[in-house]
Amino acid sequence: EAGVTQFPSHSVIEKGQTVTLRCDPISGHDNLYWYRRVMGKEIKFLLHFVKESKQDESGMPNNRFLAERTGGTYSTLKVQPAELEDSGVYFCASSQVRSPRGLQFFGPGTRLTVL
Amino acid sequence: KQEVTQIPAALSVPEGENLVLNCSFTDSAIYNLQWFRQDPGKGLTSLLLIQSSQREQTSGRLNASLDKSSGRSTLYIAASQPGDSATYLCAVPNDYKLSFGAGTTVTVRA
Repeated sequence: EAGVTQFPSHSVIEKGQTVTLRCDPISGHDNLYWYRRVMGKEIKFLLHFVKESKQDESGMPNNRFLAERTGGTYSTLKVQPAELEDSGVYFCASSQVRSPRGLQFFGPGTRLTVL
Repeated sequence: KQEVTQIPAALSVPEGENLVLNCSFTDSAIYNLQWFRQDPGKGLTSLLLIQSSQREQTSGRLNASLDKSSGRSTLYIAASQPGDSATYLCAVPNDYKLSFGAGTTVTVRA
């Protein structure tokens, strides 16, 4: 069974540009989570989807970030316009059952570098 | 608000030495605690999951203990190997969100 996949693995963009990150959860997992780790800090929760619905986006840093999960399958996270402080590693995770009962499986992450 | 702390931030040991990694959390009403490993450029690999009712969990050379009342967990890695070099993170669920520590970066010298 395929795990959580993320694309791209690494993205380097200029400040002010737009970047879209993609996450494909494990098939059949209704719950999808986005996290990010900025340099020197701990991994922080961004948002949670159940199927196509956003359940909690309290961790989204500002309105430059937009997450979608059309059709309840893969999810995208768009950053527009990107700022220097957005650099970091963006992780996606999925679970069959909502946590804490459901174990979250993590993808390899997308390393975003904003110059 | 759940705060998770990991000490030390970095650790360097010679091959063969046992590793002791510490994790503390402020809210003891946790459902479980998970230890992850992260290799450079790679994702998070779950190592051990300890349910709140358990005191410890073992997998091969890894042993994790949990003391909920004191808000602590310890990950022991026996007879360390260079392949154990990685960043180790602990995480606890805060409802459905995971709260992570900043991690301990381990270097095992051959």
